[in-house]
Amino acid sequence: NAGVTQTPKFQVLKTGQSMTLQCAQDMNHEYMSWYRQDPGMGLRLIHYSVGAGITDQGEVPNGYNVSRSTTEDFPLRLLSAAPSQTSVYFCASSSELAGGTDTQYFGPGTRLTVL
Amino acid sequence: AQTVTQSQPEMSVQEAETVTLSCTYDTSENNYYLFWYKQPPSRQMILVIRQEAYKQQNATENRFSVNFQKAAKSFSLKISDSQLGDTAMYFCAFDNAGNMLTFGGGTRLMVKP
Repeated sequence: NAGVTQTPKFQVLKTGQSMTLQCAQDMNHEYMSWYRQDPGMGLRLIHYSVGAGITDQGEVPNGYNVSRSTTEDFPLRLLSAAPSQTSVYFCASSSELAGGTDTQYFGPGTRLTVL
Repeated sequence: AQTVTQSQPEMSVQEAETVTLSCTYDTSENNYYLFWYKQPPSRQMILVIRQEAYKQQNATENRFSVNFQKAAKSFSLKISDSQLGDTAMYFCAFDNAGNMLTFGGGTRLMVKP
């Protein structure tokens, strides 16, 4: 199993450009999430999905779109990049155990710089 | 909304000694999960240990153990026999059984030879 994979590892954008961060998992997990990590801070939830076709907003959703057409993939789209979106982005996946929640497994992250 | 607080931005410990990282959280939920994640310079998020709130017994994983005080909403991580490879950022995280994590601000741990 490759686990959770993310592409690209690094990206530099100009203000106003759009792009898609890719995330895929091969563990058949129902839950997938996107987090961002700003310098010296913990991760904050952007968007999440509880299954194919179902997405919802997290703590910091503005400026981002997501979709979940398959169980495996959960891309994050930046519609019009802004310098405030300079951050490291992590994708995570997990499954729901009977009566509780499973551990989230994280991808390696994408470092995004918006100039 | 839940909040997670790590009051120690930085800590250091001598190799082979023991160190404790603090974490407090605020929630009105009764069923939830707590985690410690390690983030080395490679920035990969690595699970260290997890605790289910309904379990009274503190979780242990080899050299890592927690002190879970539910009434006090406290969840500290103890690292015994510290190793140079333990040098990393450590994040405490809360999950209210919705598979969504709320993270603390992190503690940077330096293990000195």
